Amino acid sequence: DAGVIQSPRHEVTEMGQEVTLRCKPISGHDYLFWYRQTMMRGLELLIYFNNNVPIDDSGMPEDRFSAKMPNASFSTLKIQPSEPRDSAVYFCASRGSGQGVQETQYFGPGTRLLVL
Amino acid sequence: QKEVEQNSGPLSVPEGAIASLNCTYSDRGSQSFFWYRQYSGKSPELIMSIYSNGDKEDGRFTAQLNKASQYVSLLIRDSQPSDSATYLCAVLEFSGGGADGLTFGKGTHLIIQP
Repeated sequence: DAGVIQSPRHEVTEMGQEVTLRCKPISGHDYLFWYRQTMMRGLELLIYFNNNVPIDDSGMPEDRFSAKMPNASFSTLKIQPSEPRDSAVYFCASRGSGQGVQETQYFGPGTRLLVL
Repeated sequence: QKEVEQNSGPLSVPEGAIASLNCTYSDRGSQSFFWYRQYSGKSPELIMSIYSNGDKEDGRFTAQLNKASQYVSLLIRDSQPSDSATYLCAVLEFSGGGADGLTFGKGTHLIIQP
């Protein structure tokens, strides 16, 4: 299994530009999570999906952030317009549901975003 | 709001000694507890999970859970330089309709001194 795949691995953009981060979860996993990690705030949950449906987006910082999951093997996190304070590492993670609370959440390699 | 607290460190431990990492959480409804290891520039990697009160051992690692005290710990025996990393405590509250995402502490930076 290839694990969770994220692209791009690094993104440098200018303030005001649109940024799209992509994620392919592990095949068979029905939960997908987007996290953001910064030195100040640590690792924070932004949004998660179950069977492609957004369940909880209360962690999305503001309307500039949006996420979609059009099918079981693909999700995007979009920032429009981007701001310097969005600079962070964005992780995608996925998990199955067969073992309930004992399911392990697996993280992708992350996308390191720098907004100038 | 769910909170997970960890001492940020750095925690410095001599090679071969026992490293003890601690975590407290605020939500009494939490059901699953995880320790992730994160090397600099890398993604979090699960090393231990625990669901019931008591101890759980896996190789050099032991996780301890005390739900009454809302306390989770990780012991690393025979510490190796390769154990130097940031250790993240994470908590999951599972609801009947699904599972929330993990709530993470900010991590403890562990340094194993050769």
